[in-house]
Parts: sequence; structure tokens; C-alpha cells
Amino acid sequence: GIQVEQSPPDLILQEGANSTLRCNFSDSVNNLQWFHQNPWGQLINLFYIPSGTKQNGRLSATTVATERYSLLYISSSQTTDSGVYFCAVYNQAGTALIFGKGTTLSVSS
Amino acid sequence: DVKVTQSSRYLVKRTGEKVFLECVQDMDHENMFWYRQDPGLGLRLIYFSYDVKMKEKGDIPEGYSVSREKKERFSLILESASTNQTSMYLCASRKIPGLGYNEQFFGPGTRLTVL
Repeated sequence: GIQVEQSPPDLILQEGANSTLRCNFSDSVNNLQWFHQNPWGQLINLFYIPSGTKQNGRLSATTVATERYSLLYISSSQTTDSGVYFCAVYNQAGTALIFGKGTTLSVSS
Repeated sequence: DVKVTQSSRYLVKRTGEKVFLECVQDMDHENMFWYRQDPGLGLRLIYFSYDVKMKEKGDIPEGYSVSREKKERFSLILESASTNQTSMYLCASRKIPGLGYNEQFFGPGTRLTVL
């Protein structure tokens, strides 16, 4: 099945710093989502980005489907950005999302 | 905005009890999903439903059943709860896939503890 790998597993930043999170996937996909899981466990949709680049405020994402990776950029990080960031792609059947293990981000003031 | 709600944020049950987890979405989505999330194992699909009264097993259906009598509501049932079903349960929904409608939206989750 499709494998999804995220790096780095952990990231510690000072408030105001920038960061890049990476997601590699093992097979060609036509979909990819980025989520932020907050401390209460809810998965918040950040981007649906099968290809190309999207921006939403301080966050942006780029997916290069032909090279099987996606990047999530966080600029001017804030303490509220802390949590776990997941990328996910669909399985071959197009039903279940296959999640990476996540990147745990800690932003301190 | 899509809204997916779950009946409880925290739930404590005893071994052997029948447990119902409810999920409701308000965006007329055809597909609904139940996942569980465990440390070290990530998120795994339990069941999903294409539409009303339609269901398919996911990767870990053992010990669970589901019900979808109305389009907006998808219930996960633990027939006889066991301690190994202690977990975070997440519900999600999606419009019919294709035509750019592949994005899944998640509820807030239910943390279930089985004693």
C-alpha cells in the first residue's frame, strides 16, 4: 500500500521563526491533505492540495506530485501553532486516508 | 463551513457494555468515516459509508458495527466494549469523491476509556 513519511518528527521553535515540514509519499496520488491536530485532538483542515501551491495567511503548501512530495511552510510561528501536523493521501481504493506519523511542533514564547 | 459533530468529547464505559458513538454532519455529504487514533499506530479506518444504509469495512472492523439510517448521521457501535478499544475515535465526512470533492472533514473526536 501507499506509504507516507513525514519529517522532521519533532520541531522546537521560538516564536517568530519560520519552518518547513515535509511529506513524502511512495506512489502517485491525485490528492493530498494537510491537517493540524490541536491539543484537544481535533483535526483541523489546513490544505487540500493535490498539486501546485496554496497560501492561507502565514501558512502555505506546495505539492510536487510527479516527485511525490509536499511541503508545508509556517512563517512567523506563534505559540498557537503548536500541535501535530499530519499529511494524508487516499489509499488505492480512494476511501481511507493514509496518514503520516506527523510532525510535532512546539513553539515557545 | 462544513461542520461535523460528535456526541461526546469524553466517555468512560465498563467492559462488556454496549457503546454508541454518534456523528452528525450538516453539509449533505454522501460519504462518512470512522477512524481510531492510537499512539504509535496513527489513524486507522474502522468503517466507512458511501451513503444511507451502505457500509464497508475498513482496516480494523473487528469488534465494531455501524449504522447509517439518515444521510447526516453515522453511528459507531461497540457491541461489547473491551479495554483494547480504549482510544480516540474520529468521525469524518466527504462529498461524493471526484470533481474536486475529495477533501475529508473531521469532527472533534471522542476519547473513549473502557475500564
